Order: sequence, then C-alpha cells, then structure tokens
Amino acid sequence: QQQVKQSPQSLIVQKGGIPIINCAYENTAFDYFPWYQQFPGKGPALLIAIRPDVSEKKEGRFTISFNKSAKQFSLHIMDSQPGDSATYFCAASPFSGGYNKLIFGAGTRLAVHP
Amino acid sequence: DAGVTQSPTHLIKTRGQHVTLRCSPISGHKSVSWYQQVLGQGPQFIFQYYEKEERGRGNFPDRFSARQFPNYSSELNVNALLLGDSALYLCASSWGGRASLQETQYFGPGTRLLVL
Repeated sequence: QQQVKQSPQSLIVQKGGIPIINCAYENTAFDYFPWYQQFPGKGPALLIAIRPDVSEKKEGRFTISFNKSAKQFSLHIMDSQPGDSATYFCAASPFSGGYNKLIFGAGTRLAVHP
Repeated sequence: DAGVTQSPTHLIKTRGQHVTLRCSPISGHKSVSWYQQVLGQGPQFIFQYYEKEERGRGNFPDRFSARQFPNYSSELNVNALLLGDSALYLCASSWGGRASLQETQYFGPGTRLLVL
C-alpha cells in the first residue's frame, strides 16, 4: 500500500527554472517529512526536512511548503542548476512503537538542461 | 569523516542461495536501519536496530533477518534468494539515543544485489 504519493515521475526544466515536486499522504500519524536527493550509484542524501507545525522551510535554494489540512507537501528548487539533476524522494515518518521508519514516495527524476 | 560504509558494493547470486550484507554506521551512531530499493522505486524499510535490539520491522518475509554487533555495525541476511530480491540494499545510520525524537537518517552507498 503506497502511503506517500509523489508526482511527477519525471521533470525537465531549463537552468534557472523552478522545478516543483509534490507529495501527498493519508496517515495523520506522520510527523516528520524529509526530502532526499539521490544521484546514480549513490545512496539518498538528506536535503531538507519539515515537521507539521511549520508551513514553510527554506535551506539555500531548496524550499519545502507544507499544507497540513490538505496532507500535502512540496519541494521547490530555486535557480535550478544542471548539477541538481538527480532523483528526488519525499518521505514521511510516523513515530510509533519507539522507532522511526521512513516511508518513501516513488521518486521524481529531475533533469536540468543548461 | 567517514560516512556510512557498506560492503560489498555489488553482488551476484543465484536463486536459492543465501547472502550477507554488511554495514558500518557513522562513528557515534548507535542505530542502523536497512532499506530495499528496487529499480525505479523509493526505498522500502526492512529493519531498524538500536543497541543490538530490533526496534522495528517492515513488511518483509522471514527470509530476511538482521543483527547488530557491539560495535554497532550490522548485517542483513537474506535466505533462499528469489529473483525479486534483486535490488539496491541501503543501510542508514542515526544516533538513536532518543526514540521519541525523529532523527536524520544518513544513508550509505548501498549494495547492489543481482539474483539470477
């Protein structure tokens, strides 16, 4: 059962554009929402994370927008660069039973053209 | 600083065989989680260990098992391999000191397993 739905599957933008990746969830027990970036042949690396008591968080060129009532959150990449070309995963984590597991979306493959 | 390390990087096995994958967490981290990432999909949670005890388990068959050692390194074992076990197996480490706190999980580069 897919608990975190991510869209789009793939995205192509020109350098300087602002790609937006969206995620939606159903489980109201989720209380931590990280975004990971993965390059081919590498493990996922944490980009930025947000908790549901905050509606927006910025770190450098990356911004998360969070809508608790709609159970949706999105990643915006400002002034995108060819080096941002990678696969991006949203994730959600419920705190339950004394441990935190990450539930990932299916991923968005981003290509930034020069 | 050394990040999460995993070995081997690649592995080829045949159906029915057994495999052991290894992970060393970031120095000072006491918790290790294992994830399976099938090509084109997001990682799926398999196990989390803290201080040698299993904290949580995902929806995987009993053919999958793991353990954590006193130095906090960990092994993932998969028995009776199936073609569908072909995937990238990722290890993630976190400090794990407070179970009530959502902590950042740092991933290793993974072990790519191919089952023929």
